[in-house]
Amino acid sequence: GENVEQHPSTLSVQEGDSAVIKCTYSDSASNYFPWYKQELGKRPQLIIDIRSNVGEKKDQRIAVTLNKTAKHFSLHITETQPEDSAVYFCAATLFYTGGFKTIFGAGTRLFVKA
Amino acid sequence: GAGVSQSPRYKVAKRGQDVALRCDPISGHVSLFWYQQALGQGPEFLTYFQNEAQLDKSGLPSDRFFAERPEGSVSTLKIQRTQQEDSAVYLCASSPSPGRSGNTIYFGEGSWLTVV
Repeated sequence: GENVEQHPSTLSVQEGDSAVIKCTYSDSASNYFPWYKQELGKRPQLIIDIRSNVGEKKDQRIAVTLNKTAKHFSLHITETQPEDSAVYFCAATLFYTGGFKTIFGAGTRLFVKA
Repeated sequence: GAGVSQSPRYKVAKRGQDVALRCDPISGHVSLFWYQQALGQGPEFLTYFQNEAQLDKSGLPSDRFFAERPEGSVSTLKIQRTQQEDSAVYLCASSPSPGRSGNTIYFGEGSWLTVV
């Protein structure tokens, strides 16, 4: 089955700096990669996603890159702000006959220091 | 409703007690998922429904865990004879269709289960 590894587990940056979170996946058949942000005690919420036919996607201060050959994908947050502090999860979605399954990484706890 | 709704939000169960957790997905969403999230961990897949059919239950940790979605809408996750290791947040998520080009899943706020 699919396995998603995420690094680092904790990341501390100064406000205004960039943050990068990296993930790898095991099943080359996975073709959809969402990223979720979870604040303490809240539900995970989608912040950006990328499909396997695209190498990069940007949305304001957030960008994701995907290297299908290496089975790597990354989240980049520029000009970080204190409100970016949260846990971020990468995920890989595997489609099979009749359905699909989304497998999550273990999460990265991001601290943005003012 | 506006989003995925789960109840109860918090449940304290004595070891050995049975619990039932309810999920009301976004109206019209075909796909429904249950995940288990332990403290400090990512959501772990438990089971998947497409309408009323349970297509994948490979993540259910033991036969004490049972899920159903009899009419293709509301789903219930039942845990029998709860153990301390069952303490976690149980997240329900739904998605509009089983589509092949990538589907976002939308999470509920979760049911926080503590087994004492």
